[in-house]
Amino acid sequence: QKEVEQDPGPLSVPEGAIVSLNCTYSNSAFQYFMWYRQYSRKGPELLMYTYSSGNKEDGRFTAQVDKSSKYISLFIRDSQPSDSATYLCAMSETPQAGTALIFGKGTTLSVSS
Amino acid sequence: NAGVTQTPKFQVLKTGQSMTLQCAQDMNHEYMSWYRQDPGMGLRLIHYSVGAGITDQGEVPNGYNVSRSTTEDFPLRLLSAAPSQTSVYFCASSSGTGGYRNTEAFFGQGTRLTVV
Repeated sequence: QKEVEQDPGPLSVPEGAIVSLNCTYSNSAFQYFMWYRQYSRKGPELLMYTYSSGNKEDGRFTAQVDKSSKYISLFIRDSQPSDSATYLCAMSETPQAGTALIFGKGTTLSVSS
Repeated sequence: NAGVTQTPKFQVLKTGQSMTLQCAQDMNHEYMSWYRQDPGMGLRLIHYSVGAGITDQGEVPNGYNVSRSTTEDFPLRLLSAAPSQTSVYFCASSSGTGGYRNTEAFFGQGTRLTVV
């Protein structure tokens, strides 16, 4: 079983919808949780970062981490066609292992206008 | 500021050939890594480096070699290419210094490799 599980979708929603993306993980040593966004034929870009459990909000995006359940979520409010991309969750045990990230499979999101 | 630069962007190899994928960053980042991305598999860590002269294996290291002689460069070598190595390869770097932002990985644009 992969350390990080993520439903690959695809997920299709109308413009303005609330989108919920989720990952589960098995390694309790993970402390740093990230969401990356990847547009077609591009490299991933960091979207949200959360340390340990809790919520973090940035504009239309909210990241949640529940370490007790080993579950993280990304919520997108008022989704826009420009949000159409693949969303990858990523995790690491320490910040010093900055690029030794373990990724989920990614969820492909399509927002229609 | 170019960020992370990968060359080549596309490559076709025959089974058994060797080649080196190049990765260079101009952000003076300590940490660099290589990932491969396959359909339905997400990104999987191949090798990573926390500084010049220091490398370590990731999730899927077999068939790949790396070295880190300078801070700027982190080449990935395929010694004897196999069709199973057909993939999109991404190089990433991060600063590795102070604060939570050191976990942000900056990715290159990728190298699309096909082994026939």
